[in-house]
Amino acid sequence: DARVTQTPRHKVTEMGQEVTMRCQPILGHNTVFWYRQTMMQGLELLAYFRNRAPLDDSGMPKDRFSAEMPDATLATLKIQPSEPRDSAVYFCASGLTSGSETQYFGPGTRLLVL
Amino acid sequence: SQKIEQNSEALNIQEGKTATLTCNYTNYSPAYLQWYRQDPGRGPVFLLLIRENEKEKRKERLKVTFDTTLKQSLFHITASQPADSATYLCALEGTGGFKTIFGAGTRLFVKA
Repeated sequence: DARVTQTPRHKVTEMGQEVTMRCQPILGHNTVFWYRQTMMQGLELLAYFRNRAPLDDSGMPKDRFSAEMPDATLATLKIQPSEPRDSAVYFCASGLTSGSETQYFGPGTRLLVL
Repeated sequence: SQKIEQNSEALNIQEGKTATLTCNYTNYSPAYLQWYRQDPGRGPVFLLLIRENEKEKRKERLKVTFDTTLKQSLFHITASQPADSATYLCALEGTGGFKTIFGAGTRLFVKA
């Protein structure tokens, strides 16, 4: 049963610390998405990769957030320095560009910045 | 700016009835519209996709309609069950698969 995996599942950190979230997309999928979900804003797209190349990261605060795909099996999202307003659930999703981008979501990383 | 609206109020229905959820959008011409289900503490799960040239799509007890003139999609769950209780999100996608936009979701409660 192919699934998107994310680590860690939960993270509590102090303001100013670096946070790294990792995602393993479904094998064979060539698109990867990072989303942030909060009660107030809902699901917001932060970054989008196709074939490991970043296509859209306009939703991401550039001064503190960065997203990379070192290889086809790993995507990372870093926040440095973290702030309390970054507290949210961060989802990774993967998909196939076969005419529609049905997305398969991971379980999320619940981040709390104190 | 592009906007998706889903009923922010929760929908409460009795088991066995049909649940109908609405998704309206503005300033967007989507090639596809998708519906996802999200349970508390979990990621969204894909349910159905409907293309701009399709009026209706069905899958088991689920039915989706797509009216590009009204800029609206309706999502129906027939013979609803308590296990259908969840938040349902609609998502719009343009051609080329760029920048899928999600609605805020509608919470559905099905009472036994």
